[in-house]
Amino acid sequence: QQQVKQSPQSLIVQKGGISIINCAYENTAFDYFPWYQQFPGKGPALLIAIRPDVSEKKEGRFTISFNKSAKQFSLHIMDSQPGDSATYFCAASEGSNYQLIWGAGTKLIIKP
Amino acid sequence: DADVTQTPRNRITKTGKRIMLECSQTKGHDRMYWYRQDPGLGLRLIYYSFDVKDINKGEISDGYSVSRQAQAKFSLSLESAIPNQTALYFCATRGKGPGNQPQHFGDGTRLSIL
Repeated sequence: QQQVKQSPQSLIVQKGGISIINCAYENTAFDYFPWYQQFPGKGPALLIAIRPDVSEKKEGRFTISFNKSAKQFSLHIMDSQPGDSATYFCAASEGSNYQLIWGAGTKLIIKP
Repeated sequence: DADVTQTPRNRITKTGKRIMLECSQTKGHDRMYWYRQDPGLGLRLIYYSFDVKDINKGEISDGYSVSRQAQAKFSLSLESAIPNQTALYFCATRGKGPGNQPQHFGDGTRLSIL
């Protein structure tokens, strides 16, 4: 009930392509869905987040798509660049708990 | 200077040793967290603290203890280290407010137990 399942585990995309990472959850009480980006040797940092009252949120080249009925959300990176190469984590939290439940992570490599 | 500082950055030690990982922050946040990261498992919460007098167990607290010495300092101890505690450990902070406050992470401590 608490899990957040993330796929794929790793992803290789050509420069300029679209990177797509997917997450699924079971707990319908989750109401906050952030994505974090982690570079080697660094801690994760918040990239973009969404609440379930909207179906999409866009910030620059990064977009979250949210499907409440399917209990899925995804990160799309448009015009992927080598500098986007990193590990991406989805997460979810419920109400005033604010404890993040994390996906397993996706290692993204953008080939020049 | 980093807002969330973890020391040491790397540590190699032997089974059975006591180890302390330290975290300090200059963000003025009340909430602090300790996570461990393992390949393919994401981040798992070990302990968290909402203030100096409030310490809570997370998902995987067995074999670990913590101390919140001050608002700015939160340390993680392994009383008797074992090899399966080899991992990357992260400290994070979060300010008060609604759930969309981000967590701010240190750069991690890579711990190897032989």
